[in-house]
Amino acid sequence: AQKITQTQPGMFVQEKEAVTLDCTYDTSDQSYGLFWYKQPSSGEMIFLIYQGSYDEQNATEGRYSLNFQKARKSANLVISASQLGDSAMYFCAMREADTGNQFYFGTGTSLTVIP
Amino acid sequence: DSGVTQTPKHLITATGQRVTLRCSPRSGDLSVYWYQQSLDQGLQFLIQYYNGEERAKGNILERFSAQQFPDLHSELNLSSLELGDSALYFCASSPRTSGSYNEQFFGPGTRLTVL
Repeated sequence: AQKITQTQPGMFVQEKEAVTLDCTYDTSDQSYGLFWYKQPSSGEMIFLIYQGSYDEQNATEGRYSLNFQKARKSANLVISASQLGDSAMYFCAMREADTGNQFYFGTGTSLTVIP
Repeated sequence: DSGVTQTPKHLITATGQRVTLRCSPRSGDLSVYWYQQSLDQGLQFLIQYYNGEERAKGNILERFSAQQFPDLHSELNLSSLELGDSALYFCASSPRTSGSYNEQFFGPGTRLTVL
C-alpha cells in the first residue's frame, strides 16, 4: 500500500481564492510527522508546514494551514488567498518515528493559480 | 536559500559512464538524504547517512553508492549509467536522524541527463 496518497494530479484555483490539496497517509506508527513541500518550476523543494501526530491543533504557517484529521489519516493543505506565485507542484510527505528513518513522498499535485 | 549546496547543477553524460554528485549539508546538520526525482517515478528516497554512517536505504540500485565524509559532505556515485537514470537528484539535510519532527532542507538538485 502507498504510504502517501495524493489523488489530485492537477488543480486550478482563482487568484485570491482558497484551495485545498488532499493528502492521505498510511501508517501503523503512533508517532509520525507530516510535511508539505512546494516545488516551483525552478525545481527547488521548499518546506511549507509540519504537523506532528501528537499535535492537537492544526498547524498554520502564514497563508498555509494543515487540516489534520487523524482518524481519517488525512493531512490536507489549505492555501488561503491564492497568489500567482503559488503555482507549483505540492508534495505531501510523512516520516514514521517508530519504524525506520525514511521520508515517504506522495506523487504531488500541480497547482495552477489563474489570474 | 536552504543552506544545502549541491554540485554540479547540471550534468550531461553518456550511457555506461560514471558520475559523482556532491552535497554539502547545512552547517550543523548531521543527516544527509539522497532522492531521485524522475518524471514517471516521482520523488524516490535513495539513502540516508548520519554522521558518516548509513542509516536507511530506500530504492537505491546496486550501481549507485554513496558515502558521507568526516566533514559531513556526501557524495552519490552513479555508475554504468543508463538512459533511465536521467533525473533530478536531490540532497537534503536535517539536524537529527530520528523523531517524527525531522524537517529536511533540500538542496537545489543536480539534473543528470544520460544520452
